[in-house]
Amino acid sequence: AQSVTQLGSHVSVSEGALVLLRCNYSSSVPPYLFWYVQYPNQGLQLLLKYTTGATLVKGINGFEAEFKKSETSFHLTKPSAHMSDAAEYFCAVSLNQAGTALIFGKGTTLSVSS
Amino acid sequence: DSGVTQTPKHLITATGQRVTLRCSPRSGDLSVYWYQQSLDQGLQFLIQYYNGEERAKGNILERFSAQQFPDLHSELNLSSLELGDSALYFCASSVLPTGSSGELFFGEGSRLTVL
Repeated sequence: AQSVTQLGSHVSVSEGALVLLRCNYSSSVPPYLFWYVQYPNQGLQLLLKYTTGATLVKGINGFEAEFKKSETSFHLTKPSAHMSDAAEYFCAVSLNQAGTALIFGKGTTLSVSS
Repeated sequence: DSGVTQTPKHLITATGQRVTLRCSPRSGDLSVYWYQQSLDQGLQFLIQYYNGEERAKGNILERFSAQQFPDLHSELNLSSLELGDSALYFCASSVLPTGSSGELFFGEGSRLTVL
């Protein structure tokens, strides 16, 4: 079975600082990996995804993530945080197999201070 | 707006009662997923349907059941409600039959409070 672990339930950064949200996955077969964002009182929306091919994936709002198989990681980064980035971020994993679904980590709340 | 519609947005009920949550997927999406979000458990996958058939099952309690109708809308039925069932229930939809490389589109959720 697949699973993800997000390190740090809460991350605080200053506006303009680097954002780094950590995610490690566990999977017996090559996984598909995702980052979703949830703004207050809203549903989740996709930031970026890795399926196959290039291991550095760029998403919306300046975010990117790198798939590192050797480290079983898929950390999310953004060079310069903006106040509007404050939200909860979820790493997720799925397999291209029938009977499986998208499994989410517990989430990391990002706070951005001015 | 994701295109996924969930009703009701808020629901308050008592222990032992039964409620039904409804989800209309995005136009053209055949898969519907149900997730439960709570502070202690995070976002838990409950169940998935594809074109009316159950495709994947997660941590769904026996007191809970779901179905997807011919018009592709889905309902999640929660019975014999307990305090611990209070949570935000999300529905998501996608085109693909598995939660694989396709993007899931989430509704805004139904917040259930059990008193």
